[in-house]
Amino acid sequence: NAGVTQTPKFQVLKTGQSMTLQCAQDMNHEYMSWYRQDPGMGLRLIHYSVGAGITDQGEVPNGYNVSRSTTEDFPLRLLSAAPSQTSVYFCASRPGQGASYEQYFGPGTRLTVT
Amino acid sequence: GDSVTQMEGPVTLSEEACLTINCTYTATGYPSLFWYVQYPGEGLQLLLKATKADDKGSNKGFEATYRKETTSFHLEKGSVQVSDSAVYFCALSDSGYALNFGKGTSLLVTP
Repeated sequence: NAGVTQTPKFQVLKTGQSMTLQCAQDMNHEYMSWYRQDPGMGLRLIHYSVGAGITDQGEVPNGYNVSRSTTEDFPLRLLSAAPSQTSVYFCASRPGQGASYEQYFGPGTRLTVT
Repeated sequence: GDSVTQMEGPVTLSEEACLTINCTYTATGYPSLFWYVQYPGEGLQLLLKATKADDKGSNKGFEATYRKETTSFHLEKGSVQVSDSAVYFCALSDSGYALNFGKGTSLLVTP
């Protein structure tokens, strides 16, 4: 199994540009989520999904959109990038109800917005 | 809401020294507790976990005990190695949907 994969690893955007960060998992996990990591802030939840077609907002959702059309994929869209969105983005997944709450993380995408 | 507080770093230790990283939490329910480790340039890996009071998680010489009475989950290791240099995150999950993380503690172990 590849586990949780993310693309790209690095990205530089200009203010106002849009892009999609890709996340995929091959473990048939029901739950997927996106976090951002900023220095001194730990990881903060952006959006999460408990299954295909079901998404919800986390702690810092503004400026980001998500959708979940398949179990495997959970892309994160930046509609109009801002310098405040410069961060490292991690996707994570875990099995559904009844399983351990442990989450499995991807390797991350480092995004710089100029 | 739920929250995690962990000691601020950076923590610098000599090889073979003892390590303790303090972590306390606030939660309305009965959360599961985790320690994750992030090596330089990499993603997060689960180090250990505990799902109920008095459980002890252990892995790679690291240990942490779920203390409900003190709402704590301190990470300990008796003898650290240079390869343990990393950032350590304490986290909890109450809902199961996602994790609440502490801000992370950077550990540097010198030879």
